Amino acid sequence: TQLLEQSPQFLSIQEGENLTVYCNSSSVFSSLQWYRQEPGEGPVLLVTVVTGGEVKKLKRLTFQFGDARKDSSLHITAAQPGDTGLYLCAGLSYNTDKLIFGTGTRLQVFP
Amino acid sequence: DTEVTQTPKHLVMGMTNKKSLKCEQHMGHRAMYWYKQKAKKPPELMFVYSYEKLSINESVPSRFSPECPNSSLLNLHLHALQPEDSALYLCASSQGQAILGNTIYFGEGSWLTVV
Repeated sequence: TQLLEQSPQFLSIQEGENLTVYCNSSSVFSSLQWYRQEPGEGPVLLVTVVTGGEVKKLKRLTFQFGDARKDSSLHITAAQPGDTGLYLCAGLSYNTDKLIFGTGTRLQVFP
Repeated sequence: DTEVTQTPKHLVMGMTNKKSLKCEQHMGHRAMYWYKQKAKKPPELMFVYSYEKLSINESVPSRFSPECPNSSLLNLHLHALQPEDSALYLCASSQGQAILGNTIYFGEGSWLTVV
């Protein structure tokens, strides 16, 4: 069974702080996606990373795909209350037609 | 436009009822998915349709019956459900098969409560 472990599981910080969320697996993925999900809503795609070592920036969010395509990180600079939500990484497997979700990181940013 | 539309947004049904969840996309995507998400858990894959044919069934109980009438529509027929089936049901689509590295887009979900 392929597993994607995210850490930390919960994160509660003040506005303006920086944070990093990690997504780790022992499996190799063809690509990895990051989503943010609000309560009662579907996951909203933030980014897709495809190439090992790839770095993508989306305003204050920086995403990195590990060289071995087994892990990824999400760094948020100067967090804002609007960043509050559930962050999910999800890997596309080479062997199966499946998108496997990580365990999730619940972020709360206080004003 | 990267929109996947799901109806209804909320559904309450009894254990003897028959109901359906509907999903629609007009992005020309050829792969469509059903996921189930329980509270405070990540989504779990249920079914994958590729080019209107069922390609993956994750050992889902037969009380859940998917249907893909055409490339834009995906239904999930529900019959004789149990209270533990209450969850957020998410539909998703992608341009092609996931193994080709396509991005998967999700709808807002249908909240199902079984009483």
